[in-house]
Amino acid sequence: GIQVEQSPPDLILQEGANSTLRCNFSDSVNNLQWFHQNPWGQLINLFYIPSGTKQNGRLSATTVATERYSLLYISSSQTTDSGVYFCAVFYNQGGKLIFGQGTELSVKP
Amino acid sequence: NAGVMQNPRHLVRRRGQEARLRCSPMKGHSHVYWYRQLPEEGLKFMVYLQKENIIDESGMPKERFSAEFPKEGPSILRIQQVVRGDSAAYFCASSPPRGSNTGELFFGEGSRLTVL
Repeated sequence: GIQVEQSPPDLILQEGANSTLRCNFSDSVNNLQWFHQNPWGQLINLFYIPSGTKQNGRLSATTVATERYSLLYISSSQTTDSGVYFCAVFYNQGGKLIFGQGTELSVKP
Repeated sequence: NAGVMQNPRHLVRRRGQEARLRCSPMKGHSHVYWYRQLPEEGLKFMVYLQKENIIDESGMPKERFSAEFPKEGPSILRIQQVVRGDSAAYFCASSPPRGSNTGELFFGEGSRLTVL
């Protein structure tokens, strides 16, 4: 089956810093989603981004489908950005969303 | 427009009891997915259902676990004779019908099962 790898596994930032999270996948995909799981366990949809670039406030994402990777950018990080960021891919062979292992982000004040 | 609704949010069971988790998809969505998240791990696919049909159950444990999505009412994930290893967060997601299905899934807040 398809493999989804995220890096780095852990990241500690000082408030105000910028960061880039990466997601690599091993096969062609129909779409890709980024999620934020906050410290209370809620999964929040950040981006639905099968290709191209999208921006939402301090967050932006880019997927280069032909090269099988996606990047999530967080600028001017805040303590509320802490949590785990998951990348997940959907490919029709599986008909389901496959998650990476996540990047655990901790933003210190 | 209510999102995906899961209940209960928290459930405590003793070993050997049954656990039933319910999921109501977003309005207009006819596809339901169940995922399990063990402590300190990512989300693992369990089962994909449409109304009255199990489409893909490749992630379901072979025993004690079952899922349904009846014509009327919520989807149910049922775990019989629970063991401590079943303690986890169970997330439900829904998506629109296949004709308009972009593959984008929307998740509920999860049901956290603790087995004593």
